[in-house]
Amino acid sequence: SAVISQKPSRDICQRGTSLTIQCQVDSQVTMMFWYRQQPGQSLTLIATANQGSEATYESGFVIDKFPISRPNLTFSTLTVSNMSPEDSSIYLCSVEVGEKLFFGSGTQLSVL
Amino acid sequence: SQQGEEDPQALSIQEGENATMNCSYKTSINNLQWYRQNSGRGLVHLILIRSNEREKHSGRLRVTLDTSKKSSSLLITASRAADTASYFCATDRGYSTLTFGKGTMLLVSP
Repeated sequence: SAVISQKPSRDICQRGTSLTIQCQVDSQVTMMFWYRQQPGQSLTLIATANQGSEATYESGFVIDKFPISRPNLTFSTLTVSNMSPEDSSIYLCSVEVGEKLFFGSGTQLSVL
Repeated sequence: SQQGEEDPQALSIQEGENATMNCSYKTSINNLQWYRQNSGRGLVHLILIRSNEREKHSGRLRVTLDTSKKSSSLLITASRAADTASYFCATDRGYSTLTFGKGTMLLVSP
C-alpha cells in the first residue's frame, strides 16, 4: 500500500492566478498520476509524472496549463495556471502499487 | 475515452438492505476494480477481480464479472450509513492507466 499526503485540501482562487498542489508519498514510486474530477463527474487523467523525465499529458491537457514537477521518487507537484472558473474541480494525485491505485485526499479548487 | 458505465447513477436504501451497483464496459480487460469515494475526497480501493475470475468476496462486498456481457456488479450486503459514498468501477486493459466510470452515488439512511 501507499500513503499519500496531498495539500492544500481546498482553496478558493481568483481568476488568472495559479495554484500549486503538492503530493508526498511514504514510499518510492516510479510513476505518479494526476487526475481531475469535475463536479459530479468521473476522474479524468491529466498526466503521468515520471521521475527524471517530462510528464506525459493526456489528450486535452497541455504542459503550459498544468505544469508538473517530479524532483524525486516520493514527491510531485501539479500547478493549475492562469485559472478560470472552468478549472473548478477536485484534483487528485495517485500512485500504483501492484495493480491498485492509491489516492491522496484531493484538492477541492474553486475559481471565482 | 470512458470505458466503464455504472448504473444506477444514484441509489437510496435503508440500513440493513443490500445495495447492488452495475458496471458495463466496452473492450477486453485484464481486470476490473471498484473504488469508493467519500464526499468528493480521495478514492479508496475496494476490490479487484481478474478477467478469468467470475466472483470475488471481501467482507460484505461481493463482485461478479461476466466478460461475455462485459459487465460487473458490486453487491454490498447489510448496508450501513457509513457505506454512503460514490462507487466507481475502473477497468485495466493491461497497457494503459485505469479508466474510471461515472460512478453510482449510494445513500444509506439510518
